[in-house]
Amino acid sequence: QAVLTQPPSVSGAPGQRVTISCAGSSSNIGAGYDIHWYLQLPGTAPKLLIYGNTNRPSGVPDRFSGSKSGTSASLAITGLQAEDEADYYCQSYDNSLSAWVFGGGTKLTVL
Amino acid sequence: QVQLQESGPGLVKPSETLSLTCTVSGYSITSGYYWGWIRQPPGKGLEWIGSLSHSGTTYYIPSLKSRVTISGVTSKNQFSLKLSSVTAADTAVYYCARADCSTTTCYNDYWGQGTLVTVSS
Repeated sequence: QAVLTQPPSVSGAPGQRVTISCAGSSSNIGAGYDIHWYLQLPGTAPKLLIYGNTNRPSGVPDRFSGSKSGTSASLAITGLQAEDEADYYCQSYDNSLSAWVFGGGTKLTVL
Repeated sequence: QVQLQESGPGLVKPSETLSLTCTVSGYSITSGYYWGWIRQPPGKGLEWIGSLSHSGTTYYIPSLKSRVTISGVTSKNQFSLKLSSVTAADTAVYYCARADCSTTTCYNDYWGQGTLVTVSS
């Protein structure tokens, strides 16, 4: 059971907007620790998508955006493309576990 | 360009010690950042194992702390992972990664390609 809770799957048609939620608690997101998001294509290493809640590394399209509020965070993807089909993970720090923790991951399917 | 590459045995027997090395190019591990290991059991999610700071301080996930050692070989710009008394539950793809850390945050900006380690007799 992951400390950060993500929906197992989400889907959307090309061109649509989808959001992926990441629910935490007062010992991680609610404690003020930043949220980061990673994208993982099948058989490859995760790739940093969003860091520090809302920041995009160089090269990541502005179709990807992150937000954080209270004890939860969200990743939004607009203008969905077939190449966005992947697993997405959120990450933060948990002070009750004294560990960096990941969400369970969300599989995005582009219909 | 920063690159990381994992190396080590792909098969380890139960109760033995898993040993992996991460070779870093494009940046000196003693110049900054944190250098860590993350694993992913087949078909499952990611789990942070531990990290080594550029100054040599180590941080481990409490659930594995008694079995894990992460250390650096600065002359070769490498860092290593040792996980003792392994069981089938330790079967996973092991990634090494660089982490950019501050007071309230730590994110992994560069990753190795990952190496599958299977624990089996």
